[in-house]
Amino acid sequence: DSGVTQTPKHLITATGQRVTLRCSPRSGDLSVYWYQQSLDQGLQFLIQYYNGEERAKGNILERFSAQQFPDLHSELNLSSLELGDSALYFCASSELAGGGTDTQYFGPGTRLTVL
Amino acid sequence: EDQVTQSPEALRLQEGESSSLNCSYTVSGLRGLFWYRQDPGKGPEFLFTLYSAGEEKEKERLKATLTKKESFLHITAPKPEDSATYLCAVLGYGGSQGNLIFGKGTKLSVKP
Repeated sequence: DSGVTQTPKHLITATGQRVTLRCSPRSGDLSVYWYQQSLDQGLQFLIQYYNGEERAKGNILERFSAQQFPDLHSELNLSSLELGDSALYFCASSELAGGGTDTQYFGPGTRLTVL
Repeated sequence: EDQVTQSPEALRLQEGESSSLNCSYTVSGLRGLFWYRQDPGKGPEFLFTLYSAGEEKEKERLKATLTKKESFLHITAPKPEDSATYLCAVLGYGGSQGNLIFGKGTKLSVKP
């Protein structure tokens, strides 16, 4: 158990809908990262928040957005869902702002299925 | 562009049969190379971080090594419970801070 929690575990929805994924980081960690894992692409970095502020952005679609709240939990919002958005979404957390010595610990993931 | 390539894609071993997994990388200045283990449907589990060429780290039956172009994960006398996908990731000085670049992984199956 990494100490990172994610809800829900599974989510099934229809195309065009909007969903929210939630992540609580390990106690004391200030950074939260979101990743998407699909069968053909592997793990892809989406976005990082550090202490409530956006820190880094990866291959995140404009239909997707995230935020980190004062209690440091984070939410990833996915809208206008398409079939291709079906994937595992992972949250990771780390103690600091990111760097070689700042290990990212991953949560159990949310499996999103878009029908 | 930072890139990570892992080989082989899949590896089948008999229990006790030692082998190595390869992670080749290109990165604009290496800040760290990370190994994770991932079981089906679960999140990646952190194993090791390596920082500079020549560095080695060990944990039970696993040993990770690093050169300037690649890293190896050596598995000694594996057991069925070592079956998992092993992911390699790099963090470089270029690109977005905190942006781990992952390889597609090596799926290891260990048969009793």
